[in-house]
Amino acid sequence: AQKVTQAQTEISVVEKEDVTLDCVYETRDTTYYLFWYKQPPSGELVFLIRRNSFDEQNEISGRYSWNFQKSTSSFNFTITASQVVDSAVYFCALSDVSGNTPLVFGKGTRLSVIA
Amino acid sequence: KAGVTQTPRYLIKTRGQQVTLSCSPISGHRSVSWYQQTPGQGLQFLFEYFSETQRNKGNFPGRFSGRQFSNSRSEMNVSTLELGDSALYLCASSELRASSYNEQFFGPGTRLTVL
Repeated sequence: AQKVTQAQTEISVVEKEDVTLDCVYETRDTTYYLFWYKQPPSGELVFLIRRNSFDEQNEISGRYSWNFQKSTSSFNFTITASQVVDSAVYFCALSDVSGNTPLVFGKGTRLSVIA
Repeated sequence: KAGVTQTPRYLIKTRGQQVTLSCSPISGHRSVSWYQQTPGQGLQFLFEYFSETQRNKGNFPGRFSGRQFSNSRSEMNVSTLELGDSALYLCASSELRASSYNEQFFGPGTRLTVL
């Protein structure tokens, strides 16, 4: 069975600090996709990234970066120089490569960035 | 293209009542999935519809049901509401093409409060 664990329930940081959100997953599939979504107070899930399991290169997009380590089944997300607008709940998710089975989500990490 | 729309955005019901939530997918998307989000359980998959047929189903009691219409719009119904049904109900749509990964796009959700 697939499972995603986000051990950090809530994190508070001061603006401009870097913050890392942890994600650990379990799956029996040899290939799979990992995701991060952002959920602002409005409620809509905003897609941030999808990573295929055979691509272990780290990715950077502006202030966001992702560290995928298959050996430890982790897909961590770092926000550099955090801003108040980054305050949201962040979800890590897992799916098979077809997308034909439901996304399995972690329970989310609530990030509060204080000015 | 317009995004996924969900109506109503907010709803208050009392125990024992029933409720119907609506989701209009992105134009051209034929798959609609429903998720329940609660503080305790996080995001949990309810069911998925494609071409008016239920394709996948999560582990929820029979009080939760859904359907999809020929225009791909979907409704979910919860009968005999319980306090624990208070949640944010998210709808996601995808194209469901066989040849590639099918990204899910989420709506803003319907926040249901059961008193």
